[in-house]
Amino acid sequence: SYELTQPPSVSVSPGQTASITCSGDKLGDKYVCWYQQKPGQSPVLVIYQDNKRPSGIPERFSGSNSGNTATLTISGTHVMDEADFYCQAWDSSNVVFGGGTRLTVL
Amino acid sequence: EVHLVESGGGFVQPGGSLRLSCAASEFTVSGTYMNWVRQAPGRGLEWVSFIYTGDSTYYADSVKGRFTISKDNSKNTLYLQMDSLRPEDTAVYFCARGSQGSIGRFSFYYMDVWGKGTTVTVSS
Repeated sequence: SYELTQPPSVSVSPGQTASITCSGDKLGDKYVCWYQQKPGQSPVLVIYQDNKRPSGIPERFSGSNSGNTATLTISGTHVMDEADFYCQAWDSSNVVFGGGTRLTVL
Repeated sequence: EVHLVESGGGFVQPGGSLRLSCAASEFTVSGTYMNWVRQAPGRGLEWVSFIYTGDSTYYADSVKGRFTISKDNSKNTLYLQMDSLRPEDTAVYFCARGSQGSIGRFSFYYMDVWGKGTTVTVSS
């Protein structure tokens, strides 16, 4: 079965740029989306189709996908961006999540 | 406002059954991909199942043969019948609206509306 690999944790200082990676075999041949989940809350879609932002998601969230790696980039990170982030792809009619990355802003 | 509300969670012994419901508002589940996603305590998200039409259903290997997804278009509600429950099924279960399609030769799938979840605990 297809697997997506994320780093367990990423740290960033407020105002700096955070990059969270998601790796999978030929991931660039699939579309990736990203979810943000804060403690005790439901996931929120922040990026879909590799680099599109849903309505209401700040412009500081962006995405890219090429080769075997997709990347979620948060520019000018805010303290409120601290959360768990999950990548997700579609493979053979199955939904696949990455293991999640905890973003710490300090 | 588009809305999903789950219900039906609870405490059940191993081998028991539960049926989860997910009521949709301001959109119709008919003709829409609808999903169940779960999250065990302290763990990541795990996709469980999705349904498109009545005979277009898919399941994660971990629940195949034990869980059944369905939807009642007249009630605009999604269901998850869970049988032969195991302690490892303990989790918060979210329902989510999905969107699937293709651009060129690549396919996409994402979930843009999520409920708040309902908790299932399987323990003796």
